Amino acid sequence: EAAVTQSPRNKVTVTGGNVTLSCRQTNSHNYMYWYRQDTGHGLRLIHYSYGAGNLQIGDVPDGYKATRTTQEDFFLLLELASPSQTSLYFCASSDVGLGVQDTQYFGPGTRLLVL
Amino acid sequence: QQKVQQSPESLSVPEGGMASLNCTSSDRNFQYFWWYRQHSGEGPKALMSIFSDGDKKEGRFTAHLNKASLHVSLHIRDSQPSDSALYFCAAGASSGSWQLIFGSGTQLTVMP
Repeated sequence: EAAVTQSPRNKVTVTGGNVTLSCRQTNSHNYMYWYRQDTGHGLRLIHYSYGAGNLQIGDVPDGYKATRTTQEDFFLLLELASPSQTSLYFCASSDVGLGVQDTQYFGPGTRLLVL
Repeated sequence: QQKVQQSPESLSVPEGGMASLNCTSSDRNFQYFWWYRQHSGEGPKALMSIFSDGDKKEGRFTAHLNKASLHVSLHIRDSQPSDSALYFCAAGASSGSWQLIFGSGTQLTVMP
């Protein structure tokens, strides 16, 4: 089974603070994704990438930057955190070639609280 | 309005009973459907996919897809307490996008 790890698992910051969420996958998957999960909204895609150096915009990108430094590593950056960004964040990865027909493998999540 | 709508929001069934979850899409571009399951404190995990009209059975789980009505359902036979989780329906378009659109989820509780 594909392995996706996230760090930190919990983070508390203040409004206006800088936050970096990290994700690593060790299965050589081409695609990586950042989602946020909020009650009543399910999972919403923030950014995704299909390889090192590539970045695609998802449905809710405002206030977020992302960077894919290697095949394995995908980072989500909140440069001026706001309370509306308090959420549960998930990273996921999927293999190449079949798009939405590919299984996405999710990490354990990072719970972010912005005070 | 969300493009992928799930019902009910929550569902309780007795152990050994049948759980039925529903999902409707409002976008005719969606041709590929997934069910993901999330246990408390964990990330979602793919349960099964269905891309063709009709039924698809995997053990105690059966998914049914009707593309004409954009409706997909998940039926869990002989429900177990370990099936208690948040279930997401997700839909993907037939071309142009790698993005899955998730519904807001159905919280299933199986009572011992």
